[in-house]
Amino acid sequence: GIQVEQSPPDLILQEGANSTLRCNFSDSVNNLQWFHQNPWGQLINLFYIPSGTKQNGRLSATTVATERYSLLYISSSQTTDSGVYFCAVPSNFGNEKLTFGTGTRLTIIP
Amino acid sequence: DAGVTQSPTHLIKTRGQQVTLRCSPKSGHDTVSWYQQALGQGPQFIFQYYEEEERQRGNFPDRFSGHQFPNYSSELNVNALLLGDSALYLCASSRLGLAGYNEQFFGPGTRLTVL
Repeated sequence: GIQVEQSPPDLILQEGANSTLRCNFSDSVNNLQWFHQNPWGQLINLFYIPSGTKQNGRLSATTVATERYSLLYISSSQTTDSGVYFCAVPSNFGNEKLTFGTGTRLTIIP
Repeated sequence: DAGVTQSPTHLIKTRGQQVTLRCSPKSGHDTVSWYQQALGQGPQFIFQYYEEEERQRGNFPDRFSGHQFPNYSSELNVNALLLGDSALYLCASSRLGLAGYNEQFFGPGTRLTVL
């Protein structure tokens, strides 16, 4: 099955800093989702992005499907950005299982 | 517009017992998927239900079974609980589309502890 790897595994930043999280996948995909998992376990949808670039406030994401990677940018980090960030890709057969990456744990220090 | 809901929030069971977890999908969604997330890992796909049938299954034993009701809500049942079944169980809903993959939305999860 498809493999999804994320880097870095851990990131500790000062409040106000910018960060880039990377997601690599082993096979072509027809879509990709980024999630933020808060300390209570809730997975919050950030982006649904098969290709190109999307922006939502301080966050933006870029997926280059032909090169099998996606990037999540967080600017002007706030303490509420802390948590684990996951990317996930579906199988190539339609609305089926998501395979999640290994996650990046982001800690923002005041 | 209510999002995905799950119950209960937390559950403590002993080895060998059986457990049932429940999920109500987001309004307008007809497909429910279940995931298991062990501590420090990403969620792992258990199975997916559409039109009251299991569409696809991940690498989980038959002790894990499910059901979808006519109102699209779903249950996850786990029999003969093992210590290793302790995890956060997440439900996701989506709307099956003819064009392929559609965005999945997750509930808050049920944290199961097996003693």
